[in-house]
Amino acid sequence: QSALTQPPSASGSPGQSVTISCTGTSSDVGGYKYVSWYQQYPGKAPKLIIYEVTKRPSGVPDRFSGSKSGNTASLTVSGLQAEDEADYYCSSYAGSTNFKVFGGGTKLTVL
Amino acid sequence: QVQLVQSGAEVKKPGASVKVSCRASGYSFTSFGISWVRQAPGQGLEWMGWISTYNTKRKSAQNLQDRLTMTADTSTSTAFMELKSLGSDDTAVYYCARDVENYNDYWGQGTLVTVSS
Repeated sequence: QSALTQPPSASGSPGQSVTISCTGTSSDVGGYKYVSWYQQYPGKAPKLIIYEVTKRPSGVPDRFSGSKSGNTASLTVSGLQAEDEADYYCSSYAGSTNFKVFGGGTKLTVL
Repeated sequence: QVQLVQSGAEVKKPGASVKVSCRASGYSFTSFGISWVRQAPGQGLEWMGWISTYNTKRKSAQNLQDRLTMTADTSTSTAFMELKSLGSDDTAVYYCARDVENYNDYWGQGTLVTVSS
């Protein structure tokens, strides 16, 4: 199955906001509420930061927020901090045949 | 606390098989499924498959379903992933992750599998 489409890179200065998009189809992102986002530092395992489009696990700062419109989901990081520099991946349920799909990842740079 | 601890790094020759284990602790093993995700060097995450630890129902990525075997041993709270007929493009870090309603809240530390002649 095709990966979800994310921009390869994004950047912002400390204190600014940045939004990362994740575009799929009506068979995955647009069809279900099961979009999640993961943060990954080099050499480390991914960490869940958003699930079910908009929900944040306990301990994740409220600077991280998620949304969805049609076939595109978005992750917004507000009040950028140096520690937010990492790779971010979206994922979506894709139905009973394909089951799950990831985006290609976005490298977020804090300038 | 919830932990997923994976087996150590492996080096395999092309055509061989590899089996990676993922031992769960800190929760009821059969209450959550286990997903397997891999990441080739410098690349993104690739979903490989999912197994229900309750009834061993499985789902695999279409490009791997002929080579991928996922099992779960409830007596030891351990999930296993076996990949057969390895090629160089199977070189990757393999992760197990606890599955909750189609998202993964806890991840193992990863297991590097290197395929090289």
